[in-house]
Formats: sequence, structure tokens, C-alpha cells
Amino acid sequence: AQTVTQSQPEMSVQEAETVTLSCTYDTSESDYYLFWYKQPPSRQMILVIRQEAYKQQNATENRFSVNFQKAAKSFSLKISDSQLGDAAMYFCAYRSARNAGNMLTFGGGTRLMVKP
Amino acid sequence: GAGVSQSPSNKVTEKGKDVELRCDPISGHTALYWYRQSLGQGLEFLIYFQGNSAPDKSGLPSDRFSAERTGGSVSTLTIQRTQQEDSAVYLCASSYELADHTGELFFGEGSRLTVL
Repeated sequence: AQTVTQSQPEMSVQEAETVTLSCTYDTSESDYYLFWYKQPPSRQMILVIRQEAYKQQNATENRFSVNFQKAAKSFSLKISDSQLGDAAMYFCAYRSARNAGNMLTFGGGTRLMVKP
Repeated sequence: GAGVSQSPSNKVTEKGKDVELRCDPISGHTALYWYRQSLGQGLEFLIYFQGNSAPDKSGLPSDRFSAERTGGSVSTLTIQRTQQEDSAVYLCASSYELADHTGELFFGEGSRLTVL
């Protein structure tokens, strides 16, 4: 079974600074997808960024980028120019690509606080 | 609708009562998931529906939990004889499953259940 680990329960960053959230996972598969979801106080999970394991290039979405290290099974999220609206819980998630029916396996989450 | 809709938003019940939580997925989405999020924790998979296939119930924690999906659309999660440990936020998600889909799930805002 796959597991996803987020070792940082809480992180804090100054507004406009850069922060990196860590995620590691354990799998025996070679083809899969990785995701970072954001959960603000409204509780609705919002997709931040997605990475296909077969792609060597790190995904980027505006101020959000990932450092995907497949051999190390590491998938960290970097948030540049942090904004107050970035404050939320962030969840790393894994999904097998073997078939279309697999659910996401989530890490325990990292609470990000942004200081003005 | 435009997004995944869940009701009720909040539910307080007494121990031993039955509760029903409803999820209305995005129109056209064939897959529907239920997750449970206990206070300060990550998301725990409960059950998955895909089209007309038999649901994947592997995540249901006990036989007090059941779910159905009528007409391939709306789903109801039922918890019988609720216990205090059932207190959590129950999140529903849907996706449009294709063989090469990259697995993004669209989440509702969840139903917060409190068992007194």
C-alpha cells in the first residue's frame, strides 16, 4: 500500500518570502500522479499543482512550484512571494496510474501560517 | 451545479442516532468519493463509486457506515448508531474518469458531524 508523509505539522512564513513544504511517499509503482491540495478554513480542498511521475520537468503554477525527486520519492512544494491568502492546510496526495479507479492517498497535512 | 454540493453543512446529533449526509457531484462526473477528516488530521478514504460498477467499500471503518449512489449522481452516506468517534468532517469529491485522466478530484465543502 502507498503511504504519504508530511513531516511538518506547521510552518510559518513572512509575507512576500518563500516557503517550502515537504512530502515523501512510499510506493513500488513507477507510474503515478502526485498532487498538492490547499484547504482553507472554508474546508473545500482546492488543487494547487499536479505532477505526473513520468515527467522529469518540475511542475509550476504561477507562484507555486514543486521539486520532484523520483528516486528519493520526494515531492516538495515551494510557495514564492507568499501572500496572506496562502494561509491554509496543505495536503500532499498520491494516486496510482495503473487504472483510472484508484483513489487519492493523502498525507497528514501541513498548516501554513503567513505573517504580515 | 457548478461544483460539488454537500448537505448539511453542519450536523449535531446524539450518540446512538442515525445520520444521513448528502453529496451532489459535478454534472457529468462519473466517479464519486467519500473521505473522512478527523480534527487536525489528513483525509481518510471511505468509499468510491465509478459509474455502474460495484463500489469500492474498502475504507468503511465499520458496518455502521454505508453509502449509496442513486442514478449515478447523488450519493448518501449513512452512519447508523453514531458514536462520538464518528465526529469529523465528511468530504465528498467527484471526478470525470477517463483512461488517461490525471486524477484531479473536485471537492465539496464537507459536512461537519458532531456526535454528543
